[in-house]
Amino acid sequence: AQSVAQPEDQVNVAEGNPLTVKCTYSVSGNPYLFWYVQYPNRGLQFLLKYITGDNLVKGSYGFEAEFNKSQTSFHLKKPSALVSDSALYFCAVIPRGGGNKLTFGTGTQLKVEL
Amino acid sequence: DTEVTQTPKHLVMGMTNKKSLKCEQHMGHRAMYWYKQKAKKPPELMFVYSYEKLSINESVPSRFSPECPNSSLLNLHLHALQPEDSALYLCASSLAGPLLVPDTQYFGPGTRLTVL
Repeated sequence: AQSVAQPEDQVNVAEGNPLTVKCTYSVSGNPYLFWYVQYPNRGLQFLLKYITGDNLVKGSYGFEAEFNKSQTSFHLKKPSALVSDSALYFCAVIPRGGGNKLTFGTGTQLKVEL
Repeated sequence: DTEVTQTPKHLVMGMTNKKSLKCEQHMGHRAMYWYKQKAKKPPELMFVYSYEKLSINESVPSRFSPECPNSSLLNLHLHALQPEDSALYLCASSLAGPLLVPDTQYFGPGTRLTVL
């Protein structure tokens, strides 16, 4: 069965510093990978996805993620964090041939401080 | 426009009440989803409709009854709920159902449900 791990419940970073939110997956083959962000009392907003091609994916609000097949990782990154980036981030995966059913990680709370 | 709308935003109901949640999208998407989300937890898939037909039911109790009247609308009928059903209920849609390449799911803002 496929699974997604977000090893950090919370990540703290100072505004202006680079941020990384980690995601690893356990899925056979090359899965489809997604990042979503959730602000308090809101739905999930799509940030970016990896389907195929270039391992570096650029998404909304200056975020990017790198697909690393050997490390089965899909870490979310941003060069310079903003206080407004503070939110709950979810990594999700769909295995190849797995229809459209997302399997989510447990989520990482990002806190960006001044 | 990638907007999915949900009404109401908040709902408080007793265990004997019957209520409905509504979801709407006008993006031409043919797959629609209901998720349940507890605080600080990932969403849990409940139902998937593909081309207005129920394609996935994740063993959800019968007190939750989905309905897809047309390609733009998705309802979730609630009856005899329990306090543990209190959660954020999220609707999502995507261009199509299970295909070779999955499409991005776009989420609505959710309905915050409290069962007393």
